[in-house]
Amino acid sequence: DVKVTQSSRYLVKRTGEKVFLECVQDMDHENMFWYRQDPGLGLRLIYFSYDVKMKEKGDIPEGYSVSREKKERFSLILESASTNQTSMYLCASSLADRGQGQPQHFGDGTRLSIL
Amino acid sequence: GESVGLHLPTLSVQEGDNSIINCAYSNSASDYFIWYKQESGKGPQFIIDIRSNMDKRQGQRVTVLLNKTVKHLSLQIAATQPGDSAVYFCAWGRGYQKVTFGTGTKLQVIP
Repeated sequence: DVKVTQSSRYLVKRTGEKVFLECVQDMDHENMFWYRQDPGLGLRLIYFSYDVKMKEKGDIPEGYSVSREKKERFSLILESASTNQTSMYLCASSLADRGQGQPQHFGDGTRLSIL
Repeated sequence: GESVGLHLPTLSVQEGDNSIINCAYSNSASDYFIWYKQESGKGPQFIIDIRSNMDKRQGQRVTVLLNKTVKHLSLQIAATQPGDSAVYFCAWGRGYQKVTFGTGTKLQVIP
C-alpha cells in the first residue's frame, strides 16, 4: 500500500511566522502535490512537482513556496503566515502519467491554524 | 477533515440499499475520471477510476458510469454499509498530472 505521511496532524502558528509542512511518500512516485481543503471550496491545488527540483504552480500558489530536494519528500513553505492560510493541507503523490493516468494517493492532512 | 462535510449535499441511504452519487464535470476535454472517498479526519482515498474511452467500470461493490455527452459521472455503491459513510469526491483531468476536484457529496448510511 502507498503511504503518504504528513509530519504533523495539527499545527498552530502565529501571523508572520515562516511555516514548513513536510510530506514523505514511500512508493518512489515521481509526482507530488500540495492542496488545501476548505469547506465549500473543495480541494485546490497549490503546487505540484513531477521530478526532483522541479515544481509548477497550481491554482493558488500565492503566499506559498515548495521544495523538492529528494524524490520522496515534498515540503510546503508559508513564507509569512497569514490568518487566511488557516486550512487543512493535503499532500498527495502519484506515479508519472505516461499517458496512462495514475491515481493520486493522499496523506491524512495537516490542520494548520494561524493566530 | 472534520469540517469537510459541512455545506455539502447529503445523500441518506438505508443500510443494505444501493447508493448512487452523481457528479457533473466541467471540462469536456477531460480524459480521466476518478472517485475518492474521504472519511472524517482522514485524507481522500482512491476508490475507482475510468478513462474516457469507457462508459462503465466495475470494482468491488462499486460501479462508475461515465456519460460524456452530458458530462456526467456517477458512482454506484451496492449494498451500502455503515463503513461507506463518508464524503465522496469526483475528479477529472487530462493526463492526470493536474486534476480538478468536485466539491463532494456526503453519504450518510442509516443503520
